[in-house]
Amino acid sequence: GNSVTQMEGPVTLSEEAFLTINCTYTATGYPSLFWYVQYPGEGLQLLLKATKADDKGSNKGFEATYRKETTSFHLEKGSVQVSDSAVYFCALRSGANSKLTFGKGITLSVRP
Amino acid sequence: DAGVIQSPRHEVTEMGQEVTLRCKPISGHDYLFWYRQTMMRGLELLIYFNNNVPIDDSGMPEDRFSAKMPNASFSTLKIQPSEPRDSAVYFCASSKSGGPSTGELFFGEGSRLTVL
Repeated sequence: GNSVTQMEGPVTLSEEAFLTINCTYTATGYPSLFWYVQYPGEGLQLLLKATKADDKGSNKGFEATYRKETTSFHLEKGSVQVSDSAVYFCALRSGANSKLTFGKGITLSVRP
Repeated sequence: DAGVIQSPRHEVTEMGQEVTLRCKPISGHDYLFWYRQTMMRGLELLIYFNNNVPIDDSGMPEDRFSAKMPNASFSTLKIQPSEPRDSAVYFCASSKSGGPSTGELFFGEGSRLTVL
């Protein structure tokens, strides 16, 4: 079956630090991969996505590259801001089954 | 266009009472999902619908939970009777199959349920 594994959290960084959040997956077929972000008190919203191998999704300074050989979709940002403090979820969608499989999420806190 | 609309935003009730959560998906979306989020279990998919038909309800915890989608613009999640362990934030999400946004779920702001 499909599964998504995210690194354990929480993560605390200082403003302007470099961010990497690891995500690996197991899936049948050729999944589409997503990162969702949940700001405090809000629902999840799509941050970026990639639909095929070697695609790079990017948004708001965040990037993630679909690596089929390592079954990974790590999220990176070169310089985080306090406003990036949120919970980040990696997810995949594969085949005719249209439900998303989410990872457990990781809380990022950015200190001024 | 309005996003996914959920009501109520907050609900506090006593154990044994019936709880009904409501969701209006984005117009034109053909998939609707109900999720539950807790600190202990994270984000869990309860049930999802395609064109108003339930496709997968394997995540519904037990018979106390039921969900309906009588038309394309409305869905309910009902808990009867409610228990303290049902306390969580319940999210509704919708999506549209096909096109560039395939795979993207649009979430509502959630309904925070507290069962005393």
